Amino acid sequence: GQQVMQIPQYQHVQEGEDFTTYCNSSTTLSNIQWYKQRPGGHPVFLIQLVKSGEVKKQKRLTFQFGEAKKNSSLHITATQTTDVGTYFCAGIGVTGGGNKLTFGTGTQLKVEL
Amino acid sequence: NAGVTQTPKFQVLKTGQSMTLQCAQDMNHEYMSWYRQDPGMGLRLIHYSVGAGITDQGEVPNGYNVSRSTTEDFPLRLLSAAPSQTSVYFCASTGTPLAGYTFGSGTRLTVV
Repeated sequence: GQQVMQIPQYQHVQEGEDFTTYCNSSTTLSNIQWYKQRPGGHPVFLIQLVKSGEVKKQKRLTFQFGEAKKNSSLHITATQTTDVGTYFCAGIGVTGGGNKLTFGTGTQLKVEL
Repeated sequence: NAGVTQTPKFQVLKTGQSMTLQCAQDMNHEYMSWYRQDPGMGLRLIHYSVGAGITDQGEVPNGYNVSRSTTEDFPLRLLSAAPSQTSVYFCASTGTPLAGYTFGSGTRLTVV
């Protein structure tokens, strides 16, 4: 079945440093979504990418969808303590995916002052 | 709008007991899903539904049953609880799978 892996699993940064998490799927995706989960909270939808090579920005966050639609990345510029949480990618496979949204393993971000 | 409401928030079960986790949404969403979250394993899909009367299995369906008699409700039933089912369970819904899902606040289940 479809598998979605994320690296790194954990990342500690100093406030002001940049952060990147990478998402890799075993199969081609029709879309990629990104979610943020604060400690003790539930996942919250951030954004969706659909087109090959697509890049979207939300303030300090930059999201990319790979040309082959099998990988994606989230880059945060100049992290702040409010960025703390776990970031998940999720996607629906082009073949056999149906309507199943498969989540990645997540990257936990900690930001220190 | 309440969004996605899950009850209970916390539950402790003994091995072999059965229970139902409730999920209700007031956004008229057709698509609803149940996920479980375990440390280091992300969110794994248990069951999902694309509309009332239609359900399908996800990645880890064994030990769980679902039904979708109305658009609003999507309960998850644990038939005979096992310690391996200790987890945080999230219900989520969306109007279309090509849009983001709205998650409930979760149910933290412990099976002893």
